[in-house]
Amino acid sequence: DAKTTQPPSMDCAEGRAANLPCNHSTISGNEYVYWYRQIHSQGPQYIIHGLKNNETNEMASLIITEDRKSSTLILPHATLRDTAVYYCIASYHDMRFGAGTRLTVKP
Amino acid sequence: SAVISQKPSRDICQRGTSLTIQCQVDSQVTMMFWYRQQPGQSLTLIATANQGSEATYESGFVIDKFPISRPNLTFSTLTVSNMSPEDSSIYLCSVGQRDTEAFFGQGTRLTVV
Repeated sequence: DAKTTQPPSMDCAEGRAANLPCNHSTISGNEYVYWYRQIHSQGPQYIIHGLKNNETNEMASLIITEDRKSSTLILPHATLRDTAVYYCIASYHDMRFGAGTRLTVKP
Repeated sequence: SAVISQKPSRDICQRGTSLTIQCQVDSQVTMMFWYRQQPGQSLTLIATANQGSEATYESGFVIDKFPISRPNLTFSTLTVSNMSPEDSSIYLCSVGQRDTEAFFGQGTRLTVV
């Protein structure tokens, strides 16, 4: 799995978009970019994944650069319940977690 | 999606004893994984549980300490052997297929005293 780099923490105002960056400069051609989040000590929750095209679902959007060396997870209207640790993973099949970004959504 | 049930959800164990954690999935899955999450840390992959063959362990984890069984495509167990307080962690089971998302159980919170 390619190594990923994320900022350790970010703040976001409630109702605003949260943009979480991730660098994965050593990603290989068959590795997908996955995003998960973990709230308190619950099991990680899948958010979204993509290979090379931008993706959107009911939770978030994923923007992957053309060279695939970085990506951004966008939560369009952050709520207090989005406060969590967000993990970006570049993988073919097994998920290896880095330190993640602790996102705090503030009123 | 897959629904994963882990048992027990939590336990307090004496040092030197062993605990077996069960992971049951509501559908057949190719890949099952076991993770450890130490207090305040991220998840660390322990091993991939292979159906019909020995588990594949990550660096730093050995079969004698963390024996794993995978008797069929819906069930796996992880045993934490000869426990010490350093084994106090959350242990999580995960299932997935290639090129798709993985799903996680809610974990087993283990405290060794």
